[in-house]
Amino acid sequence: KQEVTQIPAALSVPEGENLVLNCSFTDSAIYNLQWFRQDPGKGLTSLLLIQSSQREQTSGRLNASLDKSSGRSTLYIAASQPGDSATYLCAVPGDAGGTSYGKLTFGQGTILTVHP
Amino acid sequence: DTEVTQTPKHLVMGMTNKKSLKCEQHMGHRAMYWYKQKAKKPPELMFVYSYEKLSINESVPSRFSPECPNSSLLNLHLHALQPEDSALYLCASSHKVARNQPQHFGDGTRLSIL
Repeated sequence: KQEVTQIPAALSVPEGENLVLNCSFTDSAIYNLQWFRQDPGKGLTSLLLIQSSQREQTSGRLNASLDKSSGRSTLYIAASQPGDSATYLCAVPGDAGGTSYGKLTFGQGTILTVHP
Repeated sequence: DTEVTQTPKHLVMGMTNKKSLKCEQHMGHRAMYWYKQKAKKPPELMFVYSYEKLSINESVPSRFSPECPNSSLLNLHLHALQPEDSALYLCASSHKVARNQPQHFGDGTRLSIL
């Protein structure tokens, strides 16, 4: 059974810092990995989806990397801003043909606070 | 603004009430999902519809009844809920149920059971 872990659970940084959020998964046979952002009381916004054949995906100040063999993904945020404060979740899809097909397995999330 | 629209945004109901949550998307997606999210926890999958047919029910109690009347609309009918059912209910959609299809989420309905 796939398990997804995110470290740290919470992170507080001053504005302008570069930071790294970590996501690890137990079953390396993933098809892709998705990073989401969630603001308090809101839904999930997809930030980046990185395919298993890719090593990196970039969008603006965000860069996601994937190392399947070690079961890890990182989300790098450059020059953090107070508006980046949110919960960040990573998720992997279930196996094709299995009972978990169509199901995303989420990590517990990292709560990020960027203070001015 | 999200492309998946959920109504209402907030709902307060008693344990004997019957209410419905609504989710709509116009992206032509044929897979739709209901998730439940408790505070400081990740979303938990409840139901998956594929081409308007229920394909996954994650052993959800029968007091939650999903319905997919057409490819753009997903409802969740609620009856005789318990206080522990208070949560954020999220709807999502994807092109189809497939590992390579990203899910797009709505902003959710915040449900409080008195």
